[in-house]
Amino acid sequence: ILNVEQSPQSLHVQEGDSTNFTCSFPSSNFYALHWYRWETAKSPEALFVMTLNGDEKKKGRISATLNTKEGYSYLYIKGSQPEDSATYLCAFSDTGNQFYFGTGTSLTVIP
Amino acid sequence: GAGVSQSPSNKVTEKGKDVELRCDPISGHTALYWYRQSLGQGLEFLIYFQGNSAPDKSGLPSDRFSAERTGGSVSTLTIQRTQQEDSAVYLCASSLSRPTGTQYFGPGTRLLVL
Repeated sequence: ILNVEQSPQSLHVQEGDSTNFTCSFPSSNFYALHWYRWETAKSPEALFVMTLNGDEKKKGRISATLNTKEGYSYLYIKGSQPEDSATYLCAFSDTGNQFYFGTGTSLTVIP
Repeated sequence: GAGVSQSPSNKVTEKGKDVELRCDPISGHTALYWYRQSLGQGLEFLIYFQGNSAPDKSGLPSDRFSAERTGGSVSTLTIQRTQQEDSAVYLCASSLSRPTGTQYFGPGTRLLVL
């Protein structure tokens, strides 16, 4: 079993603050890294998938970077809004076709 | 278009009873996954189907759990002789391919075993 770690486990920020969290994964046998947003009482929703070292993806105020050599990805949220409150999950795919989710970072944006 | 659907949305059962959870994936998606989230835990992989290949059952927690996928589409997860620790949200997801394919999740089935 492979460890995908996310930090912090939970985070409270004020509306308007920018924030970021980390996903750490094994640097060997890397295939793809996914980010999902999971709002309470809804299904996880895909944000990004990244496959190349140095990839950067952006969707509105949310962006992500990838470092496959050192095994980490950052998710950034600029100017947090209450609707950004959710659990953010990362998932790692390896070359053996396995798919592993982290335990998530729970973000609460305080109005 | 239609997303992944799951039924029932909620299920309350008594310890020892069998339950069946259903997943309808997005049409054309060859990969189908089952996960569960127990209270306070992350997503736990249960089983994966890819086309007509033998399923990857490595995540099933015990032999009380089984799943099948008929005709490469609808999947049923069966839990026999349910235990209280089986209480969780059971999520189904489908994707076009693996491992880079984005997974699209259903709304989940909330199972409570009394």
